Amino acid sequence: ETGVTQTPRHLVMGMTNKKSLKCEQHLGHNAMYWYKQSAKKPLELMFVYSLEERVENNSVPSRFSPECPNSSHLFLHLHTLQPEDSALYLCASSRIAGASETQYFGPGTRLLVL
Amino acid sequence: QKEVEQDPGPLSVPEGAIVSLNCTYSNSAFQYFMWYRQYSRKGPELLMYTYSSGNKEDGRFTAQVDKSSKYISLFIRDSQPSDSATYLCAMMRNTNAGKSTFGDGTTLTVKP
Repeated sequence: ETGVTQTPRHLVMGMTNKKSLKCEQHLGHNAMYWYKQSAKKPLELMFVYSLEERVENNSVPSRFSPECPNSSHLFLHLHTLQPEDSALYLCASSRIAGASETQYFGPGTRLLVL
Repeated sequence: QKEVEQDPGPLSVPEGAIVSLNCTYSNSAFQYFMWYRQYSRKGPELLMYTYSSGNKEDGRFTAQVDKSSKYISLFIRDSQPSDSATYLCAMMRNTNAGKSTFGDGTTLTVKP
């Protein structure tokens, strides 16, 4: 596969469940990102990883826990979520975490919290 | 007030029309300006990328940045049904380690 892939594509979970979202990039990039996209709201940056180190945490609640084991993989661990966390979660990568770098997005995981 | 305001739409035009999509912003520190296209059930893909003021053309697409007015536009000439998507403007400061600020998006439908 090429580009940025995300699994699962759809996820339904209860508020007491624990689940993880996975992102993999096949572009040889060193920076990876998690975004949240809710209906009628702008794309919100959640986390930025550069060379497997978290460089940005955008005041995200602790029920979202990112993990970057290597430069190709990024996870978002979810626990005790709320219904308002239902959204499209997008992963992106770029060559480096810089202002002039193009970010390539995956297709997203559509999450529904019941 | 939001840092980036995007014309809300939705916008519906006939095939062949010229489309104008617009964003305004309040932070004069933004230096990089992007337009993304997002098809239904897909992630955003970068369409145009400009640095500072001026015009940039790529095929049927022209991106325009006016820093004095804090206004950016994307023009689509000879619009096609395949251009039907949501268009997102995004901006970044020079020192922001990849952190983009996005507009809400404008949904465009081009009718054959």
